[in-house]
Amino acid sequence: EPEVTQTPSHQVTQMGQEVILRCVPISNHLYFYWYRQILGQKVEFLVSFYNNEISEKSEIFDDQFSVERPDGSNFTLKIRSTKLEDSAMYFCASERLGGAGNTIYFGEGSWLTVV
Amino acid sequence: AQTVTQSQPEMSVQEAETVTLSCTYDTSENNYYLFWYKQPPSRQMILVIRQEAYKQQNATENRFSVNFQKAAKSFSLKISDSQLGDTAMYFCALGEGTNAGKSTFGDGTTLTVKP
Repeated sequence: EPEVTQTPSHQVTQMGQEVILRCVPISNHLYFYWYRQILGQKVEFLVSFYNNEISEKSEIFDDQFSVERPDGSNFTLKIRSTKLEDSAMYFCASERLGGAGNTIYFGEGSWLTVV
Repeated sequence: AQTVTQSQPEMSVQEAETVTLSCTYDTSENNYYLFWYKQPPSRQMILVIRQEAYKQQNATENRFSVNFQKAAKSFSLKISDSQLGDTAMYFCALGEGTNAGKSTFGDGTTLTVKP
């Protein structure tokens, strides 16, 4: 079964450093998402991406964050100047078609620890 | 703004028995979708079941079924014949509009299946 893959699985970075989290969505999917889950808390939507641009973003997704699909396969989340509170699991997800009834496939997550 | 509430932080059930996890939500939309996701200790998010709001019939997937009460804005998950592998965090989520990916999640219920 096709799957969403994420790298790295775990990254430790120093406060103030830039981090790039990578995702390879399922190949025929058109909608891509990033979520964040701080340890012990709920999953929070960050951003959705379609047709090479952001379609929606949450209040969490401020200027510190950016996304891009540089080569048609990878979908990246960049966090500039990381803060301690950015420590969380970041999930990438993809969806073949738009429409809330479709299935969202999640990756296994990238655990970011900011020290 | 949409909200999702899971009032049971933790639950436990004996293997082979039935358990029901509660979820209530609030939305001003008429067209929306509801989901239950399972997050095992591996942290991957797995879709368990989904329900379209316009459908009166409750969704079922093998041992998993929902009780969707639209007027009461309630969406509970019933797990029959519980198995040890069902031990996980379960999240209820509400998707509105055209993108399921932009979902609002509840705080989660930790379910432990005891042998």
